[in-house]
Amino acid sequence: EVQLVESGGGLVQPGGSLRLSCAASAFTFSSFSMTWVRQAPGKGLEWVANIKHDGSEKYYVDSVKGRFTISRDNAKNSLYLQMNNLRIEDTAVYYCAREREYCSSISCSPFFDYWGQGTLVTVSS
Amino acid sequence: DVQMTQSPSSVSASVGDRVTITCRASQGIVNWLAWYQQKPGKAPKLLIFAASYLQSGVPSRFSGSGSGTDFTLTISNLQPEDFATYYCQQANSFPPFTFGPGTKVDI
Repeated sequence: EVQLVESGGGLVQPGGSLRLSCAASAFTFSSFSMTWVRQAPGKGLEWVANIKHDGSEKYYVDSVKGRFTISRDNAKNSLYLQMNNLRIEDTAVYYCAREREYCSSISCSPFFDYWGQGTLVTVSS
Repeated sequence: DVQMTQSPSSVSASVGDRVTITCRASQGIVNWLAWYQQKPGKAPKLLIFAASYLQSGVPSRFSGSGSGTDFTLTISNLQPEDFATYYCQQANSFPPFTFGPGTKVDI
């Protein structure tokens, strides 16, 4: 069964850094794009970043551009999110998710079919 | 960015009821919409992709419809395990992928 397990969350002061990891198993990790989604306490879901299967393309939500870096190591079946210059508003549970594509005759579109259990990042002084 | 809205923000229902949740996109997204269910303290779970395709293993009482800007998620014969928050998410114009604010289904 597909499994995604996040780790690396914790308490950090504003301006600090954290590196989140997501360990994948039971599927060919190197064939799938991957995504990070976060959820602030009591709030909705916010997409953060994604990375193509081979790491060739990376995209970010505007609020984290220049501060967060998504990466992957396909040999280790692992996804990462390096978070620098953290702000109080980055406090959230961070989920990694697998992207799968559905294609019509005209185009393809991704959706998130498997999610990890999440890791909590708390930014506070 | 494509903005997503959902209505209602919450709905009270009973076991056996039929519940309909609406999602609207700020611009046309063809049928590139997914629906997720989230229970407290748990990760979201994919229910429907491409507006109307049921994810494997999801009960057939869940159905989705719509295209363009207006979409619906219908839960027929509501079961106790269906009490949760439901989110729509567009995947036509990205980055960024954007989610709706959620609809809480409770008793």
